[in-house]
Amino acid sequence: EAQVTQNPRYLITVTGKKLTVTCSQNMNHEYMSWYRQDPGLGLRQIYYSMNVEVTDKGDVPEGYKVSRKEKRNFPLILESPSPNQTSLYFCASSLFQGDQRDGYTFGSGTRLTVV
Amino acid sequence: RKEVEQDPGPFNVPEGATVAFNCTYSNSASQSFFWYRQDCRKEPKLLMSVYSSGNEDGRFTAQLNRASQYISLLIRDSKLSDSATYLCVVNKGGTGGFKTIFGAGTRLFVKA
Repeated sequence: EAQVTQNPRYLITVTGKKLTVTCSQNMNHEYMSWYRQDPGLGLRQIYYSMNVEVTDKGDVPEGYKVSRKEKRNFPLILESPSPNQTSLYFCASSLFQGDQRDGYTFGSGTRLTVV
Repeated sequence: RKEVEQDPGPFNVPEGATVAFNCTYSNSASQSFFWYRQDCRKEPKLLMSVYSSGNEDGRFTAQLNRASQYISLLIRDSKLSDSATYLCVVNKGGTGGFKTIFGAGTRLFVKA
C-alpha cells in the first residue's frame, strides 16, 4: 500500500530533550515536506526537500532540523524542544514539487506536547 | 492579510443540502489549486485539483476564477460523511521560489 509513515503518533516530552520524528514513504517520491498545524493557523511548512541531500527552509524553520540521506526517509529533529513547539506535525510527500495530478500524500500525524 | 483566506465556518447543513465554500488568494503568481479534506485529528487528503475550466467529481464541483482570485467548492446532496474540514491549497512560483500555501480550513457539519 502506498503510504507515508510517521512515528511516533503521540509524544510527550520535556523542554530541552532532543527528539526525532521519523517519516518514510514507499512511493519513490522526490519531494518531501514537514508541516505543523495549529488551531486557526492552518498548516505551515517547516522544511522541505526536493530530493536526496537537497533541503530548504519553509516558513517556520526555527528550532527544527531535517536531513534527507535517502529518498524514502525525511526525519524531523528538534534539538532542544520548547513548549511553543507543541503542535500537530505532518509529513507529506509528492512525486515532484507542485504535482497537480496527485497532490500530496500525508502521514497520519504526530501530536507533540512539550512540557 | 493571509495569502489564502477561507471562511472558517462552521457551516451547519441538513443532509441533502447544497453547500458552497469560497477561498480567496492574494498572489496573482499562483499557479495551481486544490481542495483537501481533513477529518478531525486525521491527515489532510486530496479531494480534487482545481482547473481553470472547472471540474466535477460526482457530487463535488470546483471552480477557479483567476481574474477575481478565488476558488470555490460546491457539494451537492450533502451526506453525513461529508462532515469534515475543507482546506483550500494554492501553489505559487516566483522570485521567492515555489511555495505551497494552505488555508486554515472551513468546517462543515452535515446533520440528519
